[in-house]
Amino acid sequence: GENVEQHPSTLSVQEGDSAVIKCTYSDSASNYFPWYKQELGKRPQLIIDIRSNVGEKKDQRIAVTLNKTAKHFSLHITETQPEDSAVYFCAASRLGSSGSARQLTFGSGTQLTVLP
Amino acid sequence: DAGVIQSPRHEVTEMGQEVTLRCKPISGHDYLFWYRQTMMRGLELLIYFNNNVPIDDSGMPEDRFSAKMPNASFSTLKIQPSEPRDSAVYFCASSPQGGSEAFFGQGTRLTVV
Repeated sequence: GENVEQHPSTLSVQEGDSAVIKCTYSDSASNYFPWYKQELGKRPQLIIDIRSNVGEKKDQRIAVTLNKTAKHFSLHITETQPEDSAVYFCAASRLGSSGSARQLTFGSGTQLTVLP
Repeated sequence: DAGVIQSPRHEVTEMGQEVTLRCKPISGHDYLFWYRQTMMRGLELLIYFNNNVPIDDSGMPEDRFSAKMPNASFSTLKIQPSEPRDSAVYFCASSPQGGSEAFFGQGTRLTVV
C-alpha cells in the first residue's frame, strides 16, 4: 500500500516569513496529492491539491510543487500570518478513471506556528 | 447543505460498553469514509463505502469494529466492546462521484475509560 512521510513535524516561523512542508510517497501509481489544514479542535479542510499531470499549482499565498520522478511534493506558504497556524497534512491517492476520490493516505502532519 | 454531520460530538464510555458513532454524508455524495485520528498514528482510514457498499475495510483494526451504511444518507461505526486504546477522534468524510475532495465532518471525540 501507499506510505506517505511528512517533514517537519513542527515548524515555527516569524510572521511574514515563508514556510515549507515536504512529503514523500511510495506508490508510483498515486496521481492525486491534496493538502489539508486542521485548526485546533476543527475538521481537516482541503486548502490546495495537485494532480500528477502538473508540476506546480498556486493559489494566492499557497503553492504546491510535485516531483513525480523523486516521488515528493511540497507545500509553500508565503507571507505567513498568525491565522496560518494549524496542523497541515499532506496526502496521496489514486483517482479513479472518472476522477473520483479513492482512499487518502495521510502524512503524519506538521504543526505550523506563526509567531507575531 | 450543512456538510457532513456526525453525532455525537463527544462520547465518554466505560471499557466494555458498545459505542455507536453516526454520520450523515453530504447529499449526493457517493463515497463515504471513516477515519480515526490519534496523536500516535495520525489520520488512519478505517473503511470506505461507494454507493453504500463497503469497498475496503482493511483499515478496521479488529473484529470489535464494524461499519454499516444502510442507505445513502446514513452510516454507523460501531465498537463492541470498547477499550481505552480506542480513544480517539473519529472523522467521517464524503466525496462525490467524479470529485476528488473529501469533505470531513466535525468528528466524534471518543474517550473510553
